[in-house]
Amino acid sequence: DIVMTQSPDSLAVSLGERATINCKSSQSLLYGSNNKNYLGWYQQKPGQPPKLLIYWASARESGVPDRFSGSGSGTDFTLTISSLQAEDVALYYCQQYYSTPWTFGQGTKVEIK
Amino acid sequence: EVQLVESGGGLVQPGGSLRLSCAASGFTLSSNWVNWVRQVPGKGLEWVSRINGDGSTTHYADSVKGRFTISRDNAKNTLYLQMNSLRAEDTAVYFCARDKSWGELTYWGQGTLVTVSS
Repeated sequence: DIVMTQSPDSLAVSLGERATINCKSSQSLLYGSNNKNYLGWYQQKPGQPPKLLIYWASARESGVPDRFSGSGSGTDFTLTISSLQAEDVALYYCQQYYSTPWTFGQGTKVEIK
Repeated sequence: EVQLVESGGGLVQPGGSLRLSCAASGFTLSSNWVNWVRQVPGKGLEWVSRINGDGSTTHYADSVKGRFTISRDNAKNTLYLQMNSLRAEDTAVYFCARDKSWGELTYWGQGTLVTVSS
């Protein structure tokens, strides 16, 4: 199974500042035939299901604010919130869909400093 | 509007069985892969199973293989998860989720809680 490891486990950022979450996979998520990274990012707020933010490592889901961006390739990926808003307080998960079983990172809790 | 609504959760004794349902509306279930993902309250996400559009291909996490069976009834636009030989460690909120194209889980239900306890 592909192991997904996120860092940090939690971070506190001031409103309007940048938040950066890292995700590392135990093997490459880059599929050579289409040059796509099979990596998604999700936001989960208490009592709600996860919400897809980013897919193919850097494609923003429809309706997601452009302050959310994804980058990286191969085994190292980053989710960046360019200017943290109060409504961004949540848990964030990365997920690989390169091979089953799909696996998730352990989650990163984002709070306001 | 795309909607997924899970039902069938509840309290069951260890060794017991339960069948979860996920009713889809706003889209045709047969057009996409669909998944079950679970989450122990306060913990992380664990993918459980997935099934393709016509139900001919399924995948399972090792933790549930041989005990859980995923299926779909496209006429009813409904996804199922038959859970047998339940264990305490199967206690979780179970979500159904639809692929966007391949593996990106774009639509999620609100989840149904399964509690396995004597």
